[in-house]
Amino acid sequence: QVQLQESGPGLVKPSETLSLTCTVSGDSISSYYWSWIRQPAGKGLEWIGRIYSSGTDFNPSLKSRATMSVDTSKNQFSLKLNSVTAADTAVYYCARGDLGKELNPWGQGTLVTVSS
Amino acid sequence: DIQMTQSPSSLSASVGDRVTITCRASQSISTYVHWYQQKPGKAPNLLIYAASNLQSGVPSRFSGSRSGTDFTLTITSLQAEDSATYYCQQSHSTPYTFGQGTKLEIK
Repeated sequence: QVQLQESGPGLVKPSETLSLTCTVSGDSISSYYWSWIRQPAGKGLEWIGRIYSSGTDFNPSLKSRATMSVDTSKNQFSLKLNSVTAADTAVYYCARGDLGKELNPWGQGTLVTVSS
Repeated sequence: DIQMTQSPSSLSASVGDRVTITCRASQSISTYVHWYQQKPGKAPNLLIYAASNLQSGVPSRFSGSRSGTDFTLTITSLQAEDSATYYCQQSHSTPYTFGQGTKLEIK
């Protein structure tokens, strides 16, 4: 059974870089597409981007602030979001999704607050 | 970007009722639509994939359908545990986009 777990600092200062890691168990990180999604409190879901064997795709709404990487030795993938503001405060989820397919499963989510 | 217009934004129904939630895509996206249920403080949970396929372990009272660019999630014989927010999502092209969500309250 595939499981995903997000980890990283829960508090980030404005203008700094948000860094999160998703650890995958029960499946190889070398397969599938791996996405990040976020959800501000009380609001809807926003797809941030995905990483796969051939590269990455990002939501243009992030204005090139996001990068992703994979560590196959640890079966993890990571998200970095630079120049954060209060608007980046949200619960961040990681999820597995194949090309053109559904996002499943999801991690439990981790709250990141941007505040000085 | 492909816009997913979801309606209604909220609804209230009674146990045993039949409920319908709709998403309209801004362009043709074949069957690249999926439905999720999210309960407070939890991650979204996949209900229906590729417009009409029931995810393993999901009760059969949940179903999905497609008519052109309109996609529908139907819950028959509503149960108390169905109280949640429901989202549609398109995976036809990036950026993946979600509907605004429908908050379902059980009377």
